[in-house]
Amino acid sequence: EVQLVQSGAEVKKPGESLKISCKGSGYSFTTYWIGWVRQMPGKGLEWMGIIYPGDSDTRYSPSFQGQVTISADKSINTAYLQWSSLRASDTAMYYCARHPKYNSGWRYYDSWGQGTLVTVSS
Amino acid sequence: ETVLSQSPGTLSLSPGERATLSCRASQSIRSNYSVWYQQKPGQAPRLLIYGASRRATGIPDRFSGSGSGTDFTLTISRLEPEDFAVYYCQQYDSSIMYTFGQGTKLEIK
Repeated sequence: EVQLVQSGAEVKKPGESLKISCKGSGYSFTTYWIGWVRQMPGKGLEWMGIIYPGDSDTRYSPSFQGQVTISADKSINTAYLQWSSLRASDTAMYYCARHPKYNSGWRYYDSWGQGTLVTVSS
Repeated sequence: ETVLSQSPGTLSLSPGERATLSCRASQSIRSNYSVWYQQKPGQAPRLLIYGASRRATGIPDRFSGSGSGTDFTLTISRLEPEDFAVYYCQQYDSSIMYTFGQGTKLEIK
């Protein structure tokens, strides 16, 4: 069974750093992309970026470029999303999701993590 | 940048009725790149339809997708109680990469 298990909820203060994780299992972690999606409270889905753990090729949405860093450690089947200095506006649910290789011709996210709630408040 | 507009914003129907949800793109997109997700409160999104019309694994056949160019449709033929949720369309283009529509809330009438 394909599973993406995300790290637990976080409560942080503005200016603090944070790294959340997404661990894949039940499939070959290095042959699928992992994307990150933000959902602010009561709002819709926003695509943040995507990484290919096989070679760490990473793409960012222009809206999030420079605001977050996406990385992966293929030795432990884990992808990460990190902030160096959080803001209150980063308060949201963050989802990781699996994406097939681009040369498949498809563009979809077929398995999703359970989400990590990040709350930034002074 | 391609913008996706979903309509209606909210759809009120009864179980057993047919639901038709629309997603309009500001420019033509490849059908391969047209996707629909379902999200229930407190849950992660779930893939329903990809490639405009292909059902994802385990999705009941009452869900169907259609469309091409700039207009795509998700149809639920006979609503079940568990179908009341928020539905998002998604598309891909090589410049901005992935974009989601703002969502359609399907609620019980």
